[in-house]
Amino acid sequence: GQQLNQSPQSMFIQEGEDVSMNCTSSSIFNTWLWYKQDPGEGPVLLIALYKAGELTSNGRLTAQFGITRKDSFLNISASIPSDVGIYFCAGLNYGGSQGNLIFGKGTKLSVKP
Amino acid sequence: DAGVTQSPTHLIKTRGQQVTLRCSPISGHKSVSWYQQVLGQGPQFIFQYYEKEERGRGNFPDRFSARQFPNYSSELNVNALLLGDSALYLCASSPRLAGGSPDTQYFGPGTRLTVL
Repeated sequence: GQQLNQSPQSMFIQEGEDVSMNCTSSSIFNTWLWYKQDPGEGPVLLIALYKAGELTSNGRLTAQFGITRKDSFLNISASIPSDVGIYFCAGLNYGGSQGNLIFGKGTKLSVKP
Repeated sequence: DAGVTQSPTHLIKTRGQQVTLRCSPISGHKSVSWYQQVLGQGPQFIFQYYEKEERGRGNFPDRFSARQFPNYSSELNVNALLLGDSALYLCASSPRLAGGSPDTQYFGPGTRLTVL
């Protein structure tokens, strides 16, 4: 099935570091969503973006909806151990009869050994 | 308020069997979507239902079917199970169909299906 290009695939963080990940698509989207998923759990919504160029924050998280509507990024500032997990971007189009999410493959955040 | 609930949490079946998974959306949400997530991948869209009608279908075989009830809860059925159907099945609810205005989907904890 169709998927978004999400990078990096994985990264190691040290407490206090800033983290950045992004998502690109060959198609435009009307909505970009960022989710975090812990092992064995469902994805939890972090940030929703509804307008091209929109920059939205949720605590230490900041995400932007790209101007071209084909990309989005997520930044985490001053990371803490509980930030470990898998982060997914998802694109959504509304304007027709269906609105299914298209997901990236995820960015896995782990703690530096 | 309760979030999206799914049952059962885990299920083990053998090849050829049939399975039914259940989902209750967030109170007030009328749209339910089903996704399949295999290990190491992002969720893949299976179905979307709104007001008891199918409004979208992903690239899955006819062995997969679903329905939505008057109380907006939903069931996903999979017939003639294959080993490759082993996955985490996620249900997501949204306030309204994403067909004309911004919408956001909220996920349940999932049902882990293992096919032996």
